[in-house]
Amino acid sequence: TQLLEQSPQFLSIQEGENLTVYCNSSSVFSSLQWYRQEPGEGPVLLVTVVTGGEVKKLKRLTFQFGDARKDSSLHITAAQPGDTGLYLCAGPLYGNKLVFGAGTILRVKS
Amino acid sequence: NAGVTQTPKFQVLKTGQSMTLQCAQDMNHEYMSWYRQDPGMGLRLIHYSVGAGITDQGEVPNGYNVSRSTTEDFPLRLLSAAPSQTSVYFCASSSKLGYTFGSGTRLTVV
Repeated sequence: TQLLEQSPQFLSIQEGENLTVYCNSSSVFSSLQWYRQEPGEGPVLLVTVVTGGEVKKLKRLTFQFGDARKDSSLHITAAQPGDTGLYLCAGPLYGNKLVFGAGTILRVKS
Repeated sequence: NAGVTQTPKFQVLKTGQSMTLQCAQDMNHEYMSWYRQDPGMGLRLIHYSVGAGITDQGEVPNGYNVSRSTTEDFPLRLLSAAPSQTSVYFCASSSKLGYTFGSGTRLTVV
């Protein structure tokens, strides 16, 4: 059982559509991070959310941290083919140790 | 601005062989870690280090050894390769701002 559950596992959409990816846990996290990974590369940090209820925007990407700090969401507006990749959420355990969700594979078709 | 460098990029081993995956970072980070990534399971922590001379086990340490003689280098050794160790391996270094990953080593054990 994953400490961080991500849904959906796979998402295939048309260019221009909106989407939301979820990251849920029964545990409270001091912060959550979102990474994007492209084939053949390592994950790249997109954002860190640290305050319950926090909303951060990165161009067309909106990240939200739940009030109870047990969940987070990533919303993409008007998805583009360049958004295609694996999206991972991660949270710290005992200092710098990071635990990851299994990820959401996003494919945006043109 | 190299960040985290992993070598080799690809490797095929026979069961029972040993090898070392190299990892070097140039960001002067104290914390470094090794993960393996398998389909549907996200990234799982193998070993980590909080500084030169200090290492500890992660979630899946069996069959792997690490050492940290310098801040820059954190090699991962497979003692006697098994087919279950077929995976993609990522090295990461981290600061308070987040993790920086290498581009990975794809290992196949036959």
